[in-house]
Amino acid sequence: GEDVEQSLFLSVREGDSSVINCTYTDSSSTYLYWYKQEPGAGLQLLTYIFSNMDMKQDQRLTVLLNKKDKHLSLRIADTQTGDSAIYFCAESIHGGNNDMRFGAGTRLTVKP
Amino acid sequence: GAVVSQHPSRVICKSGTSVKIECRSLDFQATTMFWYRQFPKKSLMLMATSNEGSKATYEQGVEKDKFLINHASLTLSTLTVTSAHPEDSSFYICSASSGGWTEAFFGQGTRLTVV
Repeated sequence: GEDVEQSLFLSVREGDSSVINCTYTDSSSTYLYWYKQEPGAGLQLLTYIFSNMDMKQDQRLTVLLNKKDKHLSLRIADTQTGDSAIYFCAESIHGGNNDMRFGAGTRLTVKP
Repeated sequence: GAVVSQHPSRVICKSGTSVKIECRSLDFQATTMFWYRQFPKKSLMLMATSNEGSKATYEQGVEKDKFLINHASLTLSTLTVTSAHPEDSSFYICSASSGGWTEAFFGQGTRLTVV
């Protein structure tokens, strides 16, 4: 299987919360990331969390990390149509760019 | 954030021909560039890392003679898929950073279809 797994699709209604889940296999992962890719654009770093943290909140975004289960989630509160994009989960042991392993991306569709 | 432009965004080529994909950093000097490939419904996989003026470092299983990477300037890296075959059809993405440990910025990707 893949080193980083995430479901491929998620659909929510505008105003609801979205939760995008990710699991990874390497217990040595130190850095965990969420990227957002809008249509026609490159991946953009949304947020990241260190493995010694359980949670990180940034405005409408909440990242939860369960290190024991190797499970990472991204919650988007009050989801808007502009949040429609592909969200990539990634992990890294050393924090270097050539050390990052990505998931396949979750396509989030927000319906009005 | 910094801007990385990738060109073309889509390309269709005939089997046996070569295709060149460009990755440009528009507003910063990219000492290091990264090339990724993504097959449908699969993870984004790192193919190679290139440092300006040096030979690229390829990941295990990636054929360096098939995927030629040139990083001759601080703002441009190219990936040439030589003698393309249908199995090379994929989504190719580049990213660029001003150093291996600083944030890398991504291009929008190139969808290659080999017919």
